[in-house]
Amino acid sequence: GAVVSQHPSWVICKSGTSVKIECRSLDFQATTMFWYRQFPKQSLMLMATSNEGSKATYEQGVEKDKFLINHASLTLSTLTVTSAHPEDSSFYICSARDWRSGGADTQYFGPGTRLTVL
Amino acid sequence: AQSVTQLDSHVSVSEGTPVLLRCNYSSSYSPSLFWYVQHPNKGLQLLLKYTSAATLVKGINGFEAEFKKSETSFHLTKPSAHMSDAAEYFCVVSDYPTSGTYKYIFGTGTRLKVLA
Repeated sequence: GAVVSQHPSWVICKSGTSVKIECRSLDFQATTMFWYRQFPKQSLMLMATSNEGSKATYEQGVEKDKFLINHASLTLSTLTVTSAHPEDSSFYICSARDWRSGGADTQYFGPGTRLTVL
Repeated sequence: AQSVTQLDSHVSVSEGTPVLLRCNYSSSYSPSLFWYVQHPNKGLQLLLKYTSAATLVKGINGFEAEFKKSETSFHLTKPSAHMSDAAEYFCVVSDYPTSGTYKYIFGTGTRLKVLA
């Protein structure tokens, strides 16, 4: 139980294009999902908290118009990187809360998406 | 504010020897503490979680951690390292008691290297 998937696992795009990353909870409903960014050999940086049916809460310094988050259902959250530039290249990881299996504050992580912007 | 400190950025052990990854926390409340493992280019996998039910927490793959309030520590141990244990390990505290959100506060990570 508590499996989170991400799609795609890796993507290469040209500068100026937009890229959408999907995060799905496969066997549970997730009212809250989180989006992280990880630079090489560093810890995870929380970008935003995604709540089903409401606007995402962005962390300080994260451009909400640049990183669009939609949590339209209890099993799907999407992150769209708009007008991507090489500095947006990174490893993006999502997570979801599953209070049934791990308690209210346990997050289960997706496998990550490697974005490379040329 | 809550925080976690992972005392070692790198740890090297020989295969078959014990593993000790150190984590200290700072919290005004009874914290929820976690250990996660991340293999290269992968997401994070939950190893174990402390929620005040028992101070010694057993996790997957033979790992365990002991919550010591007097030392504000939550060190991760394994009796015998396996080559497959080589990965990045993160100590995490839930920020729920402080902020009312379910955000995680991450340690900086410890890279475990297992020597043949």
